[in-house]
Amino acid sequence: DTTVKQNPRYKLARVGKPVNLICSQTMNHDTMYWYQKKPNQAPKLLLFYYDKILNREADTFEKFQSSRPNNSFCSLYIGSAGLEYSAMYLCASSRRTGGNTLYFGEGSRLIVV
Amino acid sequence: GDSVTQTEGLVTLTKGLPVMLNCTYQTTYSPFLFWYVQHLNEAPKLLLKSSTDNKRTEHQGFYATLHKSSSSFHLQKSSVQLSDSALYFCALTHDSGYNKLTFGKGTVLLVSP
Repeated sequence: DTTVKQNPRYKLARVGKPVNLICSQTMNHDTMYWYQKKPNQAPKLLLFYYDKILNREADTFEKFQSSRPNNSFCSLYIGSAGLEYSAMYLCASSRRTGGNTLYFGEGSRLIVV
Repeated sequence: GDSVTQTEGLVTLTKGLPVMLNCTYQTTYSPFLFWYVQHLNEAPKLLLKSSTDNKRTEHQGFYATLHKSSSSFHLQKSSVQLSDSALYFCALTHDSGYNKLTFGKGTVLLVSP
């Protein structure tokens, strides 16, 4: 079973309000990722967990937080949503070693108004 | 850092015709190249992957050959079908460090009857 589930699929948020997106995987992968996808742009890696170690990309370091309470679950947290956070958020999982396939969820579409 | 370039944003074709979607990349490490396909409202799914120079990889009628000399991994199909209409991403990772995937912007393939 190669399943990655994301909730919610759609989220409407007000500017300044928090947003929490959830991801789960059933493949016992050691690494989970969050990507942000905006129209006509490449998916952009925001952060990833290897086991319990959080790695955030330099240019998104202060904008997103995350937690991984166990191997199967990972969340993406925005403390105060701005209009620029409107995007599709894709969760993925894989084994750590380079070249392994990433398995993606269907995404969470966030609209900030 | 790593980068992936997909030159076409949109490709429109009549079914039965051949297609080639371009992908070039830059990395200083030994590369792994991927093609992901995303149908409407679905998760991106792996279509092909390769790390072997000059070896053709095939799946579901699609094929690609990694050419390290030209840093390319173009996706081809000899006869497109209506069901091939989707968003296609080329992506890159390598064998150094974590398995972080760098994406191109994606190419939308629209196949008409």
